Amino acid sequence: DSGVTQTPKHLITATGQRVTLRCSPRSGDLSVYWYQQSLDQGLQFLIQYYNGEERAKGNILERFSAQQFPDLHSELNLSSLELGDSALYFCASSPHPSGYNEQFFGPGTRLTVL
Amino acid sequence: AQSVAQPEDQVNVAEGNPLTVKCTYSVSGNPYLFWYVQYPNRGLQFLLKYITGDNLVKGSYGFEAEFNKSQTSFHLKKPSALVSDSALYFCAVSLEGGNTPLVFGKGTRLSVIA
Repeated sequence: DSGVTQTPKHLITATGQRVTLRCSPRSGDLSVYWYQQSLDQGLQFLIQYYNGEERAKGNILERFSAQQFPDLHSELNLSSLELGDSALYFCASSPHPSGYNEQFFGPGTRLTVL
Repeated sequence: AQSVAQPEDQVNVAEGNPLTVKCTYSVSGNPYLFWYVQYPNRGLQFLLKYITGDNLVKGSYGFEAEFNKSQTSFHLKKPSALVSDSALYFCAVSLEGGNTPLVFGKGTRLSVIA
């Protein structure tokens, strides 16, 4: 158990809908990362937050947004969902945003868009 | 921009034999290199990392990796494979000195046959 929690574990929804994925980092970790894992694209970095502020952005679509709250939990919002958004979404955390810190991954949220 | 290549989608090895999972990287600057493992329906687990110093890095579960700067490689090795090592292995790279997110390879599926 990494100490990172993600809810829900599974999410099934329809095209055009909006969903929110939630992540609680390990105790004491200030940095949160979101990744998308799909069969064709592999593991893609979406966005990073550190202590409530956005620090880095990756291949995140404009339909997607995220934030980190004062209690350090983070939410990833996916809107106008398309079939291609079906994937496993991981949250990870680390104490600081420095590149030498290993990241601790949550169990993921499996999103299925029908 | 940094990138990681894992040239083998699948590696098969007999239990008790040594295993190697290959990784090469491309960065402008000094790399931080990581190996993660993903078991079915689980998040990624950190195995080991190279930051600086000794080129041979030892990690969890008897795994080790050797950093080779001239060949820009960071191959994962284990002297004696176990069936329980069967999983998906990811190599990842970030950059020294910057807030660069981890870039992951496509992953290599390791199958250890009894």
